[in-house]
Amino acid sequence: QVQLQESGPGLVKPSQTLSLTCTVSGGSISSGSYYWSWIRQPAGKGLEWIGRIYTSGSTNYNPSLKSRVTISVDTSKNQFSLKLSSVTAADTAVYYCARDLLGSHDYWGQGTLVTVSS
Amino acid sequence: QSVLTQPPSVSAAPGQKVTISCSGSSSNIGNNYVSWYQQLPGTAPKLLIYDNNKRPSGIPDRFSGSKSGTSATLGITGLQTGDEADYYCGTWDSSLSAGGVFGTGTKVTVL
Repeated sequence: QVQLQESGPGLVKPSQTLSLTCTVSGGSISSGSYYWSWIRQPAGKGLEWIGRIYTSGSTNYNPSLKSRVTISVDTSKNQFSLKLSSVTAADTAVYYCARDLLGSHDYWGQGTLVTVSS
Repeated sequence: QSVLTQPPSVSAAPGQKVTISCSGSSSNIGNNYVSWYQQLPGTAPKLLIYDNNKRPSGIPDRFSGSKSGTSATLGITGLQTGDEADYYCGTWDSSLSAGGVFGTGTKVTVL
């Protein structure tokens, strides 16, 4: 059974860079034709797709966030990561990592709350 | 801002049926598979339907999905109190601004 777990600081100051890591267990991040995604959800609001990465390193990003987002993968650690720069209060949200198979997200992490505040 | 539109809420009594619509365009629903997710309060979303109408292992057949043109529909029959949750559709958008997209979300209330 594949499991995903987000980790990283729960509090980030405005203008700084948000950094999160997703650790995949129960299977190799390199096996199968999967993308690995980041999705976020502000409190009381809907889901927003941030971007995804293939184990080859190929990425796709949400156009509205593209200038600030970097997603990377470390196959040796079975992890992938998210960096979001120049954060503001609008970036406060629960951040989820998920496995993406042809656009369907079948496994999700439990989510981690990141608050942007000084 | 979501490009997929869902009704904010639907409700029905236990045992009844509800349907949730998801309206998009030719660049997303019209040319890509649709997924549906259930989000119980305080938890991560859970995949209910993929490839428009397929259920992952363990999802009861009370949940069904369909797609026609640029719209998709999730149906829930035999409504249970445990079905009270937020439901989201999702797909890929193949426009110049390509990327994943989710619906606005629908709150299902069991009366």
